[in-house]
Amino acid sequence: KAGVTQTPRYLIKTRGQQVTLSCSPISGHRSVSWYQQTPGQGLQFLFEYFSETQRNKGNFPGRFSGRQFSNSRSEMNVSTLELGDSALYLCASSSTGTGGFETQYFGPGTRLLVL
Amino acid sequence: AQSVAQPEDQVNVAEGNPLTVKCTYSVSGNPYLFWYVQYPNRGLQFLLKYITGDNLVKGSYGFEAEFNKSQTSFHLKKPSALVSDSALYFCAVRDGNRDDKIIFGKGTRLHILP
Repeated sequence: KAGVTQTPRYLIKTRGQQVTLSCSPISGHRSVSWYQQTPGQGLQFLFEYFSETQRNKGNFPGRFSGRQFSNSRSEMNVSTLELGDSALYLCASSSTGTGGFETQYFGPGTRLLVL
Repeated sequence: AQSVAQPEDQVNVAEGNPLTVKCTYSVSGNPYLFWYVQYPNRGLQFLLKYITGDNLVKGSYGFEAEFNKSQTSFHLKKPSALVSDSALYFCAVRDGNRDDKIIFGKGTRLHILP
């Protein structure tokens, strides 16, 4: 079974631009979560989608948004990029996303550099 | 609100010695606890989890963790460290009584010295 895939793997943008990252979960998984990882802040939860609905949201500004499609693939968008948005963005999928005990499987991440 | 703490930024252990990576947590309901490992330029890999049952949980690569309710701890352990265990380790907690997000610790970098 293929793992979680994320595209692109690397991205360079300039301040003020917007970016869209994509995540394809493991086949059959319906829950997708997004995280931002930086050396200073560690792993921070962005949002979680389950069956095309946002179930939870972290403490990030409205510039960060996401969505999930009917095939469970998910995208996250960051508008008006700032230097501080430079990070590794990780996507994780789990089968049901409910109950809280499901194991999350992570993709390799998209490394975003904002210049 | 739930939280998780990894008090050590870095742990150094000689190869062959036992290792412990510490984690303490705070949740209002029943804790669901997880350990993940991250190798350089890679995503996180699941090691083990505690949901209910035996306090000693066995996971991948010979790792285990002990759930201690009174001390609200979930330390990661391995009897004999390998150089290949060198990586960044994350503890995470989720409140089992609420449909809430998972919270990760800051991570502990483990160095196994040959």
